[in-house]
Amino acid sequence: AQSVTQLGSHVSVSEGALVLLRCNYSSSVPPYLFWYVQYPNQGLQLLLKYTTGATLVKGINGFEAEFKKSETSFHLTKPSAHMSDAAEYFCAVTGDNRLAFGKGNQVVVIP
Amino acid sequence: GAGVSQSPSNKVTEKGKDVELRCDPISGHTALYWYRQSLGQGLEFLIYFQGNSAPDKSGLPSDRFSAERTGGSVSTLTIQRTQQEDSAVYLCASSLLGLDETQYFGPGTRLLVL
Repeated sequence: AQSVTQLGSHVSVSEGALVLLRCNYSSSVPPYLFWYVQYPNQGLQLLLKYTTGATLVKGINGFEAEFKKSETSFHLTKPSAHMSDAAEYFCAVTGDNRLAFGKGNQVVVIP
Repeated sequence: GAGVSQSPSNKVTEKGKDVELRCDPISGHTALYWYRQSLGQGLEFLIYFQGNSAPDKSGLPSDRFSAERTGGSVSTLTIQRTQQEDSAVYLCASSLLGLDETQYFGPGTRLLVL
């Protein structure tokens, strides 16, 4: 079965600093990979996705992620954190009629 | 509305009571999913509907949970004889065709079982 690992449940980053959230996946078939963001008391919003083609994917709010098959990774980055980036971030992979989600990263932005 | 809607937004019930949670997917979306989000368990898949095909119920945690989708649109998740461990946020998502498409999520129903 497909699965995702996200390390570090809580991530603190200074305003203006690089945001890096790590995601490693396991999949027996070519994966479709997603990053979602969840703000308090809201549903999940798609940040970006990788299906096929270009391995560097750009999403909303200045985020991007790179699919690296050799490393089975799909890490999320943003060059400069903003206070509005404080939220929970989930990596997910498709498989078996569902999205399999990681445990999530709660991002705290320090002024 | 343009997005997925869910009702109620919050539900408080007593242990042993039945509850019904409703999901209105985006118009025209053929695939509909239910997930559960709880502390310590993260986001768990519950059930998947695709068009007129038999639903994939493999994620339902017990036979107290059931779901239906009427007319290929609205879905209802029913939990019978609720238990305290059923307390969670129940999220519904829909996608245009199927699994390879982006899933759009509703705001969720926050269920508290006392």
